[in-house]
Amino acid sequence: DIVMTQSPDSLAVSLGERATINCKSSQSVLYSSNNKNYLAWYQQKPGQPPKLLIYWASAREYGVPDRFSGSGSGTDFTLTISSLQAEDVAVYYCQQYYSTPGCSFGQGTNLEIK
Amino acid sequence: EVQLVESGGGLVQPGGSLRLSCAASGFTFNNYWMDWVRQAPGKGLVWVSHINSDGSNTTYADSVKGRFTISRDNAKNTLYLQMNSLRAEDTAVYYCARVRGLATFFDYWGQGTLVTVSS
Repeated sequence: DIVMTQSPDSLAVSLGERATINCKSSQSVLYSSNNKNYLAWYQQKPGQPPKLLIYWASAREYGVPDRFSGSGSGTDFTLTISSLQAEDVAVYYCQQYYSTPGCSFGQGTNLEIK
Repeated sequence: EVQLVESGGGLVQPGGSLRLSCAASGFTFNNYWMDWVRQAPGKGLVWVSHINSDGSNTTYADSVKGRFTISRDNAKNTLYLQMNSLRAEDTAVYYCARVRGLATFFDYWGQGTLVTVSS
């Protein structure tokens, strides 16, 4: 099983500042046949279901603000919010889908305003 | 507009059964793989089960294998999760989620239905 580990567990950032969340997989999620990283990021606000932000490690979902970006390859990935807005307060999860069908999520990172 | 609406959650005693439903609308249901993901209170997301578009292939997390059964009725645009031999650790909000393409990331989620297993 692929284990996903996020860091930090909790993060406090000032409005307008950059927020960075890391995600590490226990094995590579890069498929050599198509050179794609099977990694997604989700945002979950209290009382709501998760919302897809990023897939294929760096492809932004339609309608997601461009302050959200994903990067990384192989086993190490990063979600960056370039300028934190109040509405970005949420829990963020990474997910590997290399083991499709089936997948696994990181434990989540709680993002707050400093 | 894509909509996924779960129902069927509630309070059940340990060892009991429950069937969850997920009514889909706004897209061609029989073209998409579907999954169930759960979230225990205050905890993270855990994948539960997967079914392909015609229902011929299913996959389960080890924690529910042999106890849960995923199915779908494409004529009714509905996804199901039959849960038997329920345990306290199955207590969670259960989400149905649509799979994008042939890779298991989820582009639409329902609002979830709460299952509580307690005596």
